[in-house]
Amino acid sequence: EVQLVESGGGLVQPGGSLRLSCAASGFTFSSYSMNWVRQAPGKGLEWVSYISSSSTTIYYADSVKGRFTISRDNAKNSLYLQMNSLRDEDTAVYYCARDRYSNYPTYFDYWGQGTLVTVSS
Amino acid sequence: QSVLTQPPSASGTPGQRVTVSCSGSSSNIGSNTVNWYQQLPGTAPKLLIYSNNQRPSGVPDRFSGSKSGASASLAISGLQSEDEADYYCAAWDDSLNGWVFGGGTKLTVL
Repeated sequence: EVQLVESGGGLVQPGGSLRLSCAASGFTFSSYSMNWVRQAPGKGLEWVSYISSSSTTIYYADSVKGRFTISRDNAKNSLYLQMNSLRDEDTAVYYCARDRYSNYPTYFDYWGQGTLVTVSS
Repeated sequence: QSVLTQPPSASGTPGQRVTVSCSGSSSNIGSNTVNWYQQLPGTAPKLLIYSNNQRPSGVPDRFSGSKSGASASLAISGLQSEDEADYYCAAWDDSLNGWVFGGGTKLTVL
């Protein structure tokens, strides 16, 4: 059974940093691209970042470019999101989502349950 | 606002057929396939339709998708109370080099 479990969320002050993790199991992690998608309270879905299976291709939404860094460790079956210079508007539930294929974006076939990040003073 | 445009709400009675529209542009829907996600209250999103009109295993055939030009639609026939959820369309945008979502449509079963 495919499982994606996010962790690392919490309360952080504006300008602070946080690192999210997503532990994957039930599939060959190194064969799939991965994404981070977020949802602000009461709002819609917003894609954040994409990383291909071997980390050779990375994309970011303009709203986080230069502040967030996506990475993965295939040996540990884990996906990460390093978030720096956090702003109030980054407050959201962050989901990790598996992409169906390894090296180009197709669709998100599995999602984690999400981890809440709250940016507030 | 969202790059893809969806109506904020839709409704229907049990057994009815409802459709949800999703409008984009040549850089997203016009040149790439459309995916639909269902988000039940308090839960994570779930893949509902991929590649315009393909259903993942386990999704009832009451759900169908279509695309024409830079627009797409999700149709739900034989509406059931458990279909009450938020529905999002998504497509890759070649100009932005990223995924874009619609703002979501809240479906109410009356």
